[in-house]
Amino acid sequence: SQTIHQWPATLVQPVGSPLSLECTVEGTSNPNLYWYRQAAGRGLQLLFYSVGIGQISSEVPQNLSASRPQDRQFILSSKKLLLSDSGFYLCAWSVESPPFLFGSGTRLTVV
Amino acid sequence: GNSVTQMEGPVTLSEEAFLTINCTYTATGYPSLFWYVQYPGEGLQLLLKATKADDKGSNKGFEATYRKETTSFHLEKGSVQVSDSAVYFCALSHSGGSNYKLTFGKGTLLTVNP
Repeated sequence: SQTIHQWPATLVQPVGSPLSLECTVEGTSNPNLYWYRQAAGRGLQLLFYSVGIGQISSEVPQNLSASRPQDRQFILSSKKLLLSDSGFYLCAWSVESPPFLFGSGTRLTVV
Repeated sequence: GNSVTQMEGPVTLSEEAFLTINCTYTATGYPSLFWYVQYPGEGLQLLLKATKADDKGSNKGFEATYRKETTSFHLEKGSVQVSDSAVYFCALSHSGGSNYKLTFGKGTLLTVNP
């Protein structure tokens, strides 16, 4: 069966610290992978997507970066977190077309 | 560009009440339309979808009809339950070459009281 794992579930980090969130999928190959952010009072914003290993597209300029070192692994990173990076981060995947399967999310609080 | 506008909440209903959450969209071409649900503390789950005009998506008592003439995809349920309390997101998919993207509305928080 197709599953998606995302961790950690919650994270509290000080301003200026680095960030690494990981997402892995199982039961599929060559998926399209996505990182979304849900900020308080706002909807879901697409941050990055990837159609293959090493291929990353950024949707909005920001303090974050993404990498895809393996076919089914997608990593969201930051060198120095800002307060505005707080939010609920969701990883998702699809094969060719929606619907997307979403992970359970990481709630990040930058203090 | 593509966008989704859904009614802002929060929406508070009593159990067994009728639910409507409005959703309209702006898109080029013929997108597919979706409703996702997010239960407290969890990720998003697909609730229903429609891929072409006049299609009706349905699941768990929820329904939505793809109306091209009014560019709408309103979510309805005849009798809500406490367990339906969640955030509901309307979304459309559009193709960017070999990749599909989902554009979401801002979400509508539904609270159902016993």
